Amino acid sequence: SAVISQKPSRDICQRGTSLTIQCQVDSQVTMMFWYRQQPGQSLTLIATANQGSEATYESGFVIDKFPISRPNLTFSTLTVSNMSPEDSSIYLCSVGQGSSTEAFFGQGTRLTVV
Amino acid sequence: QKEVEQDPGPLSVPEGAIVSLNCTYSNSAFQYFMWYRQYSRKGPELLMYTYSSGNKEDGRFTAQVDKSSKYISLFIRDSQPSDSATYLCAMSGSRDYNKLIFGAGTRLAVHP
Repeated sequence: SAVISQKPSRDICQRGTSLTIQCQVDSQVTMMFWYRQQPGQSLTLIATANQGSEATYESGFVIDKFPISRPNLTFSTLTVSNMSPEDSSIYLCSVGQGSSTEAFFGQGTRLTVV
Repeated sequence: QKEVEQDPGPLSVPEGAIVSLNCTYSNSAFQYFMWYRQYSRKGPELLMYTYSSGNKEDGRFTAQVDKSSKYISLFIRDSQPSDSATYLCAMSGSRDYNKLIFGAGTRLAVHP
């Protein structure tokens, strides 16, 4: 499986600011995804990061709030914009290969908005 | 109703016990079923992967899928304190196979 590194691992941010989370994979991968894991809840898919084109967002998530970049097959960023305390969560990067449904996760970014 | 239901626990068992973890789901289109293990402050780690119905065994772990009942299970034999973690079930359909729908996760504590 791929080795996935996320930065930062945790952060405390002021409301109204933005935070960009980086996801680096040690090998080229077809699929990259961003999930959110709110306290005591299951993982929810935010969007699929598409290399060279706009991300595909799930219902309830919009580009203005969660802009995503994917400049190549090993790197993606997720920005959480204009943060509020409701954005306090763990944000996880996930990767998959081709037709395989097996998805692998980074260690997550624990975000607290105050 | 959530698409995937999973009892959040916590589940506490003595070392050596057989653990049974379960999820039910409502979407009959789900074809791919996974179990992830998540230690505190870590990302989910893929434990078992099953396609369609049937059983799959890997060491002390056995995954079962019963599509007729829309019910999946993970059994852990000879449980160890190191198995203490949150176990998440996840599933997807053949059309959007990369879009995983997760259960809430069950917290398991194995005490010596």
